[in-house]
Amino acid sequence: AQTVTQSQPEMSVQEAETVTLSCTYDTSESNYYLFWYKQPPSRQMILVIRQEAYKQQNATENRFSVNFQKAAKSFSLKISDSQLGDTAMYFCAFVGQGAQKLVFGQGTRLTINP
Amino acid sequence: NAGVTQTPKFQVLKTGQSMTLQCAQDMNHNSMYWYRQDPGMGLRLIYYSASEGTTDKGEVPNGYNVSRLNKREFSLRLESAAPSQTSVYFCASSDTGLSNQPQHFGDGTRLSIL
Repeated sequence: AQTVTQSQPEMSVQEAETVTLSCTYDTSESNYYLFWYKQPPSRQMILVIRQEAYKQQNATENRFSVNFQKAAKSFSLKISDSQLGDTAMYFCAFVGQGAQKLVFGQGTRLTINP
Repeated sequence: NAGVTQTPKFQVLKTGQSMTLQCAQDMNHNSMYWYRQDPGMGLRLIYYSASEGTTDKGEVPNGYNVSRLNKREFSLRLESAAPSQTSVYFCASSDTGLSNQPQHFGDGTRLSIL
């Protein structure tokens, strides 16, 4: 069974700083997809970024980028020029190719301080 | 631009009572999902429906039933609520159910069982 681990329960940085959230996963599959979701205090789950395992290039979305290390089974999220609106819980998620079930990590609570 | 709509947003039940959580999506998605979110555990899949007319168990199906009423609606029923089912429940949908398609989430239902 796949597992996803986020080893940082909480993080806090100053506005405009860069922050990196860690995620590791365990799978025997070679093709799969990884996602980062953001959950602000409003509780809504919002897709931040996704990565396809067969693509070597790291995904980027504006201030958000990932460092995908397939051999190490690591999928970290980097937020550049952090903003107050980035304050949220961040969840890493995994799904195997052809599978329906997203497997989520425990989440990292990120606070951006003014 | 509703997306995924869940009702109710909050509910308090007594042990042994029954209740149905409603979910509807207006994106013409084929696949729909029910998750529960407990503190420190991320989201766990309860049931999913890959397409209209089909349902399958997820990671934590015990104590729940689901109905895919039509393409738009996917309900979750607690027949005899237990305190262990106190949680935040999320409904989600995705276009084809293929692994690379992101899931779109509702705003959640906070359910307390006394």
